[in-house]
Amino acid sequence: DAKTTQPPSMDCAEGRAANLPCNHSTISGNEYVYWYRQIHSQGPQYIIHGLKNNETNEMASLIITEDRKSSTLILPHATLRDTAVYYCIVRYRRGGSNYKLTFGKGTLLTVNP
Amino acid sequence: EPEVTQTPSHQVTQMGQEVILRCVPISNHLYFYWYRQILGQKVEFLVSFYNNEISEKSEIFDDQFSVERPDGSNFTLKIRSTKLEDSAMYFCASSDPLTLSYNEQFFGPGTRLTVL
Repeated sequence: DAKTTQPPSMDCAEGRAANLPCNHSTISGNEYVYWYRQIHSQGPQYIIHGLKNNETNEMASLIITEDRKSSTLILPHATLRDTAVYYCIVRYRRGGSNYKLTFGKGTLLTVNP
Repeated sequence: EPEVTQTPSHQVTQMGQEVILRCVPISNHLYFYWYRQILGQKVEFLVSFYNNEISEKSEIFDDQFSVERPDGSNFTLKIRSTKLEDSAMYFCASSDPLTLSYNEQFFGPGTRLTVL
């Protein structure tokens, strides 16, 4: 799996958009970008994933650069409950395969009132 | 919404004792995983399981560890002779190959294992 680089921590004001960057310059053509988060002491939670197009779901938006070497997770209106460690993970996604997730240190996002 | 459950939430044991951590994956899922997280450290993959056999295991998953799906609902992790360094939060996860998001893994709340 390609290596990812994330800032160790970020702050965001409640109600504002949180933009979390991730660099994955060695990503290959078959690898997807996944985002998970871990609220303190809880199990990781899937947020979103994408290959090359921008993606949006009820939790967040994922913007992937055209060269796919970096991406940004956007929480459009951050709340205090979004305070968590956010992990950017690059891995293959293929039917019938149960690829492991390799977690880095992630970004600790602190949403301030 | 279906969820992965784990029991117990906290297990305290003496060094050298056997422990069994239990997980109930989401009912229609076919892939199962165990991860662990030592306090203050990264989440680490231990093992993945499909079709009643191990698909992949990490270096951490040595002969002291085993997994089993004893019935149609439970998925267990056994540590035969616990060491102090096994103290960690253990997370179970499952995924479903039959939907578009089949590589999305759903995690349980974890079992905190403390070895004294």
